[in-house]
Amino acid sequence: GAVVSQHPSRVICKSGTSVKIECRSLDFQATTMFWYRQFPKQSLMLMATSNEGSKATYEQGVEKDKFLINHASLTLSTLTVTSAHPEDSSFYICSARDFGGRRYNEQFFGPGTRLTVL
Amino acid sequence: GQQVMQIPQYQHVQEGEDFTTYCNSSTTLSNIQWYKQRPGGHPVFLIQLVKSGEVKKQKRLTFQFGEAKKNSSLHITATQTTDVGTYFCAGATDSWGKFQFGAGTQVVVTP
Repeated sequence: GAVVSQHPSRVICKSGTSVKIECRSLDFQATTMFWYRQFPKQSLMLMATSNEGSKATYEQGVEKDKFLINHASLTLSTLTVTSAHPEDSSFYICSARDFGGRRYNEQFFGPGTRLTVL
Repeated sequence: GQQVMQIPQYQHVQEGEDFTTYCNSSTTLSNIQWYKQRPGGHPVFLIQLVKSGEVKKQKRLTFQFGEAKKNSSLHITATQTTDVGTYFCAGATDSWGKFQFGAGTQVVVTP
């Protein structure tokens, strides 16, 4: 149990276009999902906390108008990178917490999305 | 703000040897979690420590949470090639809060 999927796994886009990444909890309800960014051989940097039915909370330095987050249901959160530029190229990973289950404090990570902006 | 520091960033180990990675927080933590990320993969939860001075074991892995709840360690005995990957600690200042990840320790094992 506690599986999180992400789609797409890889995406290549042109500079100036927008890209949407989906994060789904497959077998549990996630009232909270987290979006991270990871550069090669570096740690995970928390970008924002996505709460179902309310606005996302962004970390300092993360542009909310550039990284749009929508958590419309208990199993789906989306991250849209708007007007992408080459510096947005990175590995984006989501995680979800199963607050309703016994493993409520554990984060379950999706497999990640590799974004390359040309 | 809260900072979580992890050392070493890189560890080269001979198969069969032991090693330890350390995690230190600038603030007192509510709990700390450890994750392992294999090359090309995503982080996988290993364990959570909540109590001051807590020690937990998983086979060859021993996790400790400091008395002051500001540091933690992961000790691996008799390293195997399957231990290759990056080990991250992640600390939270409250039970329901977000986690701050350390920089990770990349472990390379030589047969």
